[in-house]
Amino acid sequence: DAGITQSPRYKITETGRQVTLMCHQTWSHSYMFWYRQDLGHGLRLIYYSAAADITDKGEVPDGYVVSRSKTENFPLTLESATRSQTSVYFCATSGSDKPQHFGDGTRLSIL
Amino acid sequence: ELKVEQNPLFLSMQEGKNYTIYCNYSTTSDRLYWYRQDPGKSLESLFVLLSNGAVKQEGRLMASLDTKARLSTLHITAAVHDLSATYFCAVDIGGADGLTFGKGTHLIIQP
Repeated sequence: DAGITQSPRYKITETGRQVTLMCHQTWSHSYMFWYRQDLGHGLRLIYYSAAADITDKGEVPDGYVVSRSKTENFPLTLESATRSQTSVYFCATSGSDKPQHFGDGTRLSIL
Repeated sequence: ELKVEQNPLFLSMQEGKNYTIYCNYSTTSDRLYWYRQDPGKSLESLFVLLSNGAVKQEGRLMASLDTKARLSTLHITAAVHDLSATYFCAVDIGGADGLTFGKGTHLIIQP
């Protein structure tokens, strides 16, 4: 019972590169979310999805792209990475009865 | 815009003492969540508070919600070292757009 799997767990890349963070769930939850966690800011919502093919912006969407062609997957892409996007990224899911369940996170460093 | 404020943001206390973490929020909501995060780990759901006056207890932790005051508290009784962690409150104002988190309370419990 894996629940939510994020990959990779750690990633180092350079500015200007494209990088995709993967999120896979086995619960068939409708809702999926991407957050970033930075010291002093708590968790901030980047994008969310209410169902396959339905996505919407959260609080800090600039520089990110998401897609959700299948219910179980919700990848997050940084089209041209910047140093300010160095962060820990968490994927979360919820069914109709929240709370949200979080993945283990991806620690992303952009040099 | 919903604002969620936790205080204190940092708390160092001794084992055996009692203390309370406060979570204030700015918009009407009757859904509030408490999470725990250990260093380098994901977020673990502690409590789900879904109505005014809700009180939940688990071991040495007790959470309550006053929707009229827009305030939730997390009370720690006779603290032990294992409770050292960062605690987040998160507010849900409905809809599909996720939770709004406070910045977290970094709790250190010293022997």
